[in-house]
Amino acid sequence: GAVVSQHPSRVICKSGTSVKIECRSLDFQATTMFWYRQFPKKSLMLMATSNEGSKATYEQGVEKDKFLINHASLTLSTLTVTSAHPEDSSFYICSAGAAFSYEQYFGPGTRLTVT
Amino acid sequence: DQQVKQNSPSLSVQEGRISILNCDYTNSMFDYFLWYKKYPAEGPTFLISISSIKDKNEDGRFTVFLNKSAKHLSLHIVPSQPGDSAVYFCAASARSGTSYGKLTFGQGTILTVHP
Repeated sequence: GAVVSQHPSRVICKSGTSVKIECRSLDFQATTMFWYRQFPKKSLMLMATSNEGSKATYEQGVEKDKFLINHASLTLSTLTVTSAHPEDSSFYICSAGAAFSYEQYFGPGTRLTVT
Repeated sequence: DQQVKQNSPSLSVQEGRISILNCDYTNSMFDYFLWYKKYPAEGPTFLISISSIKDKNEDGRFTVFLNKSAKHLSLHIVPSQPGDSAVYFCAASARSGTSYGKLTFGQGTILTVHP
């Protein structure tokens, strides 16, 4: 399957700071990238869908000003958690999908801990 | 509103036996279904999928069955191996407008295969 990387794999930051997470599709052009959040022992919750070159579409209840998403190229999308708070601590996972394809290939995830 | 449900949070199976993981959905617009396997602190790995025009898809030890009238799908793993121990998520997608490509995940089932 396709390879999707995420960086960093783990980050600890202080409350009030911002953190950027990168998601890269390494061997195919991802027209669409998705950002998920997973709470312990819970399902993956879709946060937003980003299409290359356009604004992200956020799911209901997700603050777009807090979770900034940029999809500047067909191989890179970034999620920036602004003014992070302890309740933002979670496991963030991105996925990439090719045009008109149902299948998504997931990155390894980023564990964010806000102290 | 949980549109995709995995009602069994866990399943324990003996090595060599069959593992059957179940998934129910409520949205009749879903027309593509996927199963993912996930280890802790990693992203999900795609296993197998099925389109709504089929009722069965097989790939090696993995078979997915779809019963559209019952809005139910299941993943069969036979024979089960200890390395299959992981969390299994079913996911569904609807081929309609802005929902195209978006996956809705179930809560996951923890499979434990005992040697």
